[in-house]
Amino acid sequence: DAGVTQSPTHLIKTRGQHVTLRCSPISGHKSVSWYQQVLGQGPQFIFQYYEKEERGRGNFPDRFSARQFPNYSSELNVNALLLGDSALYLCASSRAGTGAAGEPQHFGDGTRLSIL
Amino acid sequence: QKEVEQDPGPLSVPEGAIVSLNCTYSNSAFQYFMWYRQYSRKGPELLMYTYSSGNKEDGRFTAQVDKSSKYISLFIRDSQPSDSATYLCAMRAILTGGGNKLTFGTGTQLKVEL
Repeated sequence: DAGVTQSPTHLIKTRGQHVTLRCSPISGHKSVSWYQQVLGQGPQFIFQYYEKEERGRGNFPDRFSARQFPNYSSELNVNALLLGDSALYLCASSRAGTGAAGEPQHFGDGTRLSIL
Repeated sequence: QKEVEQDPGPLSVPEGAIVSLNCTYSNSAFQYFMWYRQYSRKGPELLMYTYSSGNKEDGRFTAQVDKSSKYISLFIRDSQPSDSATYLCAMRAILTGGGNKLTFGTGTQLKVEL
């Protein structure tokens, strides 16, 4: 079975531009989460979506937004890019996404975003 | 103070050694504990997933959780050069909106040498 797939693999943008990153979850998974990983650090939580609704938001500015589609795929949008947005953006999926259900999250290989 | 503390290393061991990786945490709301392995230019790969205090074994890997001390460990037996990677501990908490998020440690860079 295919794992979590993300596109594009790499992206180079300039300050002030907008970017859209895409994620397809593992088949049967209804929850998608987004994380930002800066070099040398662990991933930081940005958003969680479950059944097309936002279920959680991390400490990121409003320039970051996301949505989930009926087929459970997801997009992460970042406006007005800053140099500090350069990072690996990871998408993770799980079967369930709410409450205390013990569902592990599985990650894709990420999109490496570089801001010039 | 960070919610999850993890020594970034690097940690270098000879092939065949037993490796011990550790994390401490401060948030009592964390309910599930995970270890991920991340190779260079790849996403994190789930290795171990535990809920209760105690030990869980899977092949050469053993995860240990001590909730009373807020301390988790990962042991790797008979380490191999292919184990060279960054190891991330992660902890899951329920959010007020009903969702959940993972909080990660910094990651420990491990190198297993021939």
